[in-house]
Amino acid sequence: DAKTTQPTSMDCAEGRAANLPCNHSTISGNEYVYWYRQIHSQGPQYIIHGLKNNETNEMASLIITEDRKSSTLILPHATLRDTAVYYCIVRVAADSSYKLIFGSGTRLLVRP
Amino acid sequence: GAVVSQHPSRVICKSGTSVKIECRSLDFQATTMFWYRQFPKQSLMLMATSNEGSKATYEQGVEKDKFLINHASLTLSTLTVTSAHPEDSSFYICSADPGTLYQETQYFGPGTRLLVL
Repeated sequence: DAKTTQPTSMDCAEGRAANLPCNHSTISGNEYVYWYRQIHSQGPQYIIHGLKNNETNEMASLIITEDRKSSTLILPHATLRDTAVYYCIVRVAADSSYKLIFGSGTRLLVRP
Repeated sequence: GAVVSQHPSRVICKSGTSVKIECRSLDFQATTMFWYRQFPKQSLMLMATSNEGSKATYEQGVEKDKFLINHASLTLSTLTVTSAHPEDSSFYICSADPGTLYQETQYFGPGTRLLVL
């Protein structure tokens, strides 16, 4: 089962920041939080990931609370092409590897 | 960088036939590849984890004799759906992990849409 819960859908205006929340209250100390997005009928696209510290790259920023029970993905200036399903995922250890267990995600609609 | 391709992008086959889907990492080597399945309006479901040169690890409920996975090289993994039936119709997506020391990140292919008639 997915270890994350997200709103089913959100919307924001083009050019504004999109803040997508995620709860992962059962996360373990060494488990990373990953964000991917999926545009219709395509494979998921990696956005960002983090463990404890806030992270930023050319696509987005990831803010993780101090207790690590929740996080927020921030798209600073949303465009129409950012309309997609956004998945917040906790990476869990599995045998000698790991798994990404996808939840239902948040469907983000960017309005003109 | 980190480009993953899949072939074919879509395939239609008759019930009872087998279908092979290829997943390639184009600009990196991947010791680990993953196979997912996605039904319409649903999320991705992990089917199996594939390590180069060893047997794949299947998720609970996924029949290993029906979904044959071969990870013969560091850039190629194949999924064969044997004796496909209409209920196997789905969007099959692979991912590959470069396995760098800094980050374990999966990069996904564009997916293969399978329709079994």
